[in-house]
Amino acid sequence: GEDVEQSLFLSVREGDSSVINCTYTDSSSTYLYWYKQEPGAGLQLLTYIFSNMDMKQDQRLTVLLNKKDKHLSLRIADTQTGDSAIYFCAEIGRSSNTGKLIFGQGTTLQVKP
Amino acid sequence: EAGVVQSPRYKIIEKKQPVAFWCNPISGHNTLYWYRQNLGQGPELLIRYENEEAVDDSQLPKDRFSAERLKGVDSTLKIQPAELGDSAVYLCASSLGVTTGELFFGEGSRLTVL
Repeated sequence: GEDVEQSLFLSVREGDSSVINCTYTDSSSTYLYWYKQEPGAGLQLLTYIFSNMDMKQDQRLTVLLNKKDKHLSLRIADTQTGDSAIYFCAEIGRSSNTGKLIFGQGTTLQVKP
Repeated sequence: EAGVVQSPRYKIIEKKQPVAFWCNPISGHNTLYWYRQNLGQGPELLIRYENEEAVDDSQLPKDRFSAERLKGVDSTLKIQPAELGDSAVYLCASSLGVTTGELFFGEGSRLTVL
């Protein structure tokens, strides 16, 4: 079955780098995603990576994908207080034509000034 | 460009009462999703529409939940009767298609069942 696991909480100091980790089970996943949810708001797509890539960088965000270990990480450089939110990892399987995203339970990032 | 609009933002009801949520997707987005997000969890898909057709409703508890998307634009999600375990945030999302997972979410409707 499809499952996505994340650690629940991460606390960092402003200016440090944050690394949020995720593991998934569906080896046929074609795309893997990182969504951000601020308090009282819906989810917002941050970035995604295609399964044939190892790394993707977008400004302060770096996504690393280890397909062998089914491990995905999101690194936020120079973390700011505005980055405090819940971060969700999600996958979409190749075998699924439904566009069904499977979300992890979310990692709460706390940024201390 | 307006985003996905949901109402109401908050609803408190007693168990066994009915409740309905409304969603207006981004203009031009043919695909509409209803997700349920329990406290401390990630969203779980309830139903997906392609235009006015429900193409994936396998996770929708059909004994008490119903949804419709008349004319392929706005959608409503109804619960009747509500149970205590239905307390959650109900998120609506829309996308241009299903080939990628770029979904645009509304702010959600938070339901509390007493």
